[in-house]
Amino acid sequence: AQTVTQSQPEMSVQEAETVTLSCTYDTSESDYYLFWYKQPPSRQMILVIRQEAYKQQNATENRFSVNFQKAAKSFSLKISDSQLGDAAMYFCAYRSEDFGNEKLTFGTGTRLTIIP
Amino acid sequence: ETGVTQTPRHLVMGMTNKKSLKCEQHLGHNAMYWYKQSAKKPLELMFVYNFKEQTENNSVPSRFSPECPNSSHLFLHLHTLQPEDSALYLCASSQLIGVTGNTIYFGEGSWLTVV
Repeated sequence: AQTVTQSQPEMSVQEAETVTLSCTYDTSESDYYLFWYKQPPSRQMILVIRQEAYKQQNATENRFSVNFQKAAKSFSLKISDSQLGDAAMYFCAYRSEDFGNEKLTFGTGTRLTIIP
Repeated sequence: ETGVTQTPRHLVMGMTNKKSLKCEQHLGHNAMYWYKQSAKKPLELMFVYNFKEQTENNSVPSRFSPECPNSSHLFLHLHTLQPEDSALYLCASSQLIGVTGNTIYFGEGSWLTVV
């Protein structure tokens, strides 16, 4: 079974600065998908960024980028130019590439606080 | 407006009540999910439906009964719940693996309090 670990329960960053959230996972599969989701106080889970394991290039989405290290099974999220609206819980998630095993496995989350 | 809508957003029920949570997706997806989010725990997958067929029941107690009448609608029927069942219940949908667009999209959740 796959597991996802987020070792930072809480992080804080000054507005306009850069912060990196850590995520490691454990799997025996070679093809899979990794995601970062954001959960603001409204509680809706919003997709931030996704990465296909077969792609070597790190995904980027505006101010959000990942550092995907497949051999190390590491998938960190970097938020540049942090904004007040980035304050939320951030969840790292793993999804198998196997047909019939479409579920997401989540980490425990990192609460990000933005300091004005 | 979200592509996955859940109703009600908040529900308070007694342990002997019967209630239902409803989820509807407007994204043309063919897989739907129920997740449970409790305080200080990772999100827990409860059920998965692919093309209306249940493909996963993650050892969920029978007091939770899912129903998927079509690919766009998913219900969670609740009966004789316990206070520890109080949580945020999140519905989600996606296309199946192997089809384009395998990202899972979530609704805003239904807050359930069992008294």
